[in-house]
Amino acid sequence: GAGVSQTPSNKVTEKGKYVELRCDPISGHTALYWYRQSLGQGPEFLIYFQGTGAADDSGLPNDRFFAVRPEGSVSTLKIQRTERGDSAVYLCASSLKPGTVDNEQFFGPGTRLTVL
Amino acid sequence: AQSVAQPEDQVNVAEGNPLTVKCTYSVSGNPYLFWYVQYPNRGLQFLLKYITGDNLVKGSYGFEAEFNKSQTSFHLKKPSALVSDSALYFCAVRDILTGGGNKLTFGTGTQLKVEL
Repeated sequence: GAGVSQTPSNKVTEKGKYVELRCDPISGHTALYWYRQSLGQGPEFLIYFQGTGAADDSGLPNDRFFAVRPEGSVSTLKIQRTERGDSAVYLCASSLKPGTVDNEQFFGPGTRLTVL
Repeated sequence: AQSVAQPEDQVNVAEGNPLTVKCTYSVSGNPYLFWYVQYPNRGLQFLLKYITGDNLVKGSYGFEAEFNKSQTSFHLKKPSALVSDSALYFCAVRDILTGGGNKLTFGTGTQLKVEL
């Protein structure tokens, strides 16, 4: 079956602009996660959705970052007034059974964001 | 807080030789431990996980990992390395008791290079 998909695969923008990154999870997966991977680092947690609501947004770095999942499926990560330090690969993951021992997260290919 | 350390930025091994990629973790409660692999321009792929039970966990592509509670380690191993195993490997932990919730905390990654 189809895995997690993310669009666009690459996004180049200018400092100060607004960007939206989209994630389409595996069908039926109720949980959705956003991570950010900076160069030479491991992925860092940003936010976790259970259904339509953000169950944990403790990883969002500041109020320029916001994410939504209005219908409990597709999610959009929104970044306002982008800064060069926002340049990274943004990874999305989904899982079927959050809160259980068998909660394997499946990752998408990521969106590489470059802020000039 | 939960954390993961991967002490080696890079591991070099000859094809056919055994390989080990090291990982140590820190959690307040009992850990769920994971290994993921990342190939260039691709998302993270799940290799294996430890939840409970047998300390030796077998996963995809001939990889296995040994959970050692006293040493708080979860080293990734393979008896005979292949050139195609060359990739970036991430260890991750989820703390199941202290409200770490569903988020994964990743190490900084270890680049494995298998040479002929």
